[in-house]
Amino acid sequence: GESVGLHLPTLSVQEGDNSIINCAYSNSASDYFIWYKQESGKGPQFIIDIRSNMDKRQGQRVTVLLNKTVKHLSLQIAATQPGDSAVYFCAEYRAGNNRKLIWGLGTSLAVNP
Amino acid sequence: NAGVTQTPKFRVLKTGQSMTLLCAQDMNHEYMYWYRQDPGMGLRLIHYSVGEGTTAKGEVPDGYNVSRLKKQNFLLGLESAAPSQTSVYFCASSAGETQYFGPGTRLLVL
Repeated sequence: GESVGLHLPTLSVQEGDNSIINCAYSNSASDYFIWYKQESGKGPQFIIDIRSNMDKRQGQRVTVLLNKTVKHLSLQIAATQPGDSAVYFCAEYRAGNNRKLIWGLGTSLAVNP
Repeated sequence: NAGVTQTPKFRVLKTGQSMTLLCAQDMNHEYMYWYRQDPGMGLRLIHYSVGEGTTAKGEVPDGYNVSRLKKQNFLLGLESAAPSQTSVYFCASSAGETQYFGPGTRLLVL
């Protein structure tokens, strides 16, 4: 399954499938990007990050892709599990911005057993 | 390490009452932040601090005040609560770009 944009859509996938969550960022000067996962009733939790001098970074079951040409970021989750159900936020960071992050609105991921 | 902790976890206020939300971090981070999160929306920055004794306004500072008297603590105050301040409040801290979040405080203003 795949979602687009900074709105809060719901992406529904079957357990075991791969998920792709997309994010468009606004400023070409942004040089660092983070994906956060927020489970119901909890605070956002860091998943993975990527700097603007990279176009791909892999973690455990997660991959972040960065396309600076079109200012697009994606989070790929392999073999999605029920525990992956959460809202996923992308955030961008601009140097000299007092370490303030610019947050997207989030995408809700629902994993169907 | 406890990371970032917030007290209280939940509070109900009447319009016009005041309260203080406490955030504490044990990671020796210089930067601390207060956000609010409303249904269907992302995180909005209320105030932040770049070090002990400093505070600065974020994007939605009106109706809130903050203090950072100690490096490990960041307090968010509501002097006269309004129903529009019903929200979930998150505190975060950072040493670099990555922010680490507390579990949140749910505030209901009647």
